Amino acid sequence: GQSLEQPSEVTAVEGAIVQINCTYQTSGFYGLSWYQQHDGGAPTFLSYNALDGLEETGRFSSFLSRSDSYGYLLLQELQMKDSASYFCAVRDQTGANNLFFGTGTRLTVIP
Amino acid sequence: GAGVSQSPSNKVTEKGKDVELRCDPISGHTALYWYRQRLGQGLEFLIYFQGNSAPDKSGLPSDRFSAERTGESVSTLTIQRTQQEDSAVYLCASSLDRGQGGYTFGSGTRLTVV
Repeated sequence: GQSLEQPSEVTAVEGAIVQINCTYQTSGFYGLSWYQQHDGGAPTFLSYNALDGLEETGRFSSFLSRSDSYGYLLLQELQMKDSASYFCAVRDQTGANNLFFGTGTRLTVIP
Repeated sequence: GAGVSQSPSNKVTEKGKDVELRCDPISGHTALYWYRQRLGQGLEFLIYFQGNSAPDKSGLPSDRFSAERTGESVSTLTIQRTQQEDSAVYLCASSLDRGQGGYTFGSGTRLTVV
């Protein structure tokens, strides 16, 4: 089976940097993804890491360490619009092609 | 279409009734997924379709839930004899293949069973 752990809530100041951690347990591993979901909205794809290291996309970066079964999403130059829930998700190589999602981290950006 | 379209956006139904939810994926996307999201919770996998292969139904919570997809087009999720515990947002997503986890989600159907 699969399990993912991420903090339930994080609060950060506008303009600052915030890191959202995700640890996972899977019987296989085929990559770690991150999604953003605003209240009442659809989840939107942010990033994907299949190999160790840092992937950067604008203000957002995602990191993976397969040996530690750990990853994080880094948000820089926080903006009020970044207030949302952030989900990590894994694809289990031994399972189906579907993603298994964590319970999400609710990020609140304050002025 | 340009995005994943789901209908209806909201559905209120009486306990015991059947409901049918529709998903229209992005044209050309071979993979289609249904997820359920209860209020304040994560996404719970329900079912996965890939082309003409047999669907992966391992996430369906009970035999009251079923889904169909014809080829690489529209999918319907049917919930029979709805229960209050079925109240949730039902999200559909599609992707080109299993490559890099980049799903495109629809806006969901908010189902309320009263």
